[in-house]
Amino acid sequence: DAGVTQSPTHLIKTRGQQVTLRCSPISGHKSVSWYQQVLGQGPQFIFQYYEKEERGRGNFPDRFSARQFPNYSSELNVNALLLGDSALYLCASSPGQADTQYFGPGTRLTVL
Amino acid sequence: RKEVEQDPGPFNVPEGATVAFNCTYSNSASQSFFWYRQDCRKEPKLLMSVYSSGNEDGRFTAQLNRASQYISLLIRDSKLSDSATYLCVVNSLNYGNKLVFGAGTILRVKS
Repeated sequence: DAGVTQSPTHLIKTRGQQVTLRCSPISGHKSVSWYQQVLGQGPQFIFQYYEKEERGRGNFPDRFSARQFPNYSSELNVNALLLGDSALYLCASSPGQADTQYFGPGTRLTVL
Repeated sequence: RKEVEQDPGPFNVPEGATVAFNCTYSNSASQSFFWYRQDCRKEPKLLMSVYSSGNEDGRFTAQLNRASQYISLLIRDSKLSDSATYLCVVNSLNYGNKLVFGAGTILRVKS
């Protein structure tokens, strides 16, 4: 069975630009969560979506937004990129809202 | 104070050694507890869930002490392939299904 997939794998942007990251959950999973991991730290929670509704939001500015589609895939958008947004962005899926989460390989974003 | 604290290491141990990692968490409302393993530049992968009664999976044993808000992981007979960063994770369903990660403990097993 396919695991969580994310695209693109790598991305280079410049300050002020906007970026969209994509995630497809494991088949049958209805919940998608997004995390940001900067070098040397553990992942930090950004959003959780379940059944296309936002169910949790971490301590991130409004430049970060996300949505979930009817097929349960998800997009994370980041506007007005800053150098500090450079990180590994991880998507995790789970069958239900409160179930064990399984991570995708991540998108490595570099902001120059 | 960070919500989940771990000794960052690195722990440098020979093959066959026993090594223990500790973790403390500050949110007493935390409901689920895990150890994840992360290889260099890869995604975190679930190693095991942690229960108050303690649980074992082969060479790995995890323990939870809710009263002390303390989680541990014991690895016996270390293998070279155990070299990775071990992430202590807690979950509070008060914020959706938010996983809160420690910064990780680096383990290096050497021959």
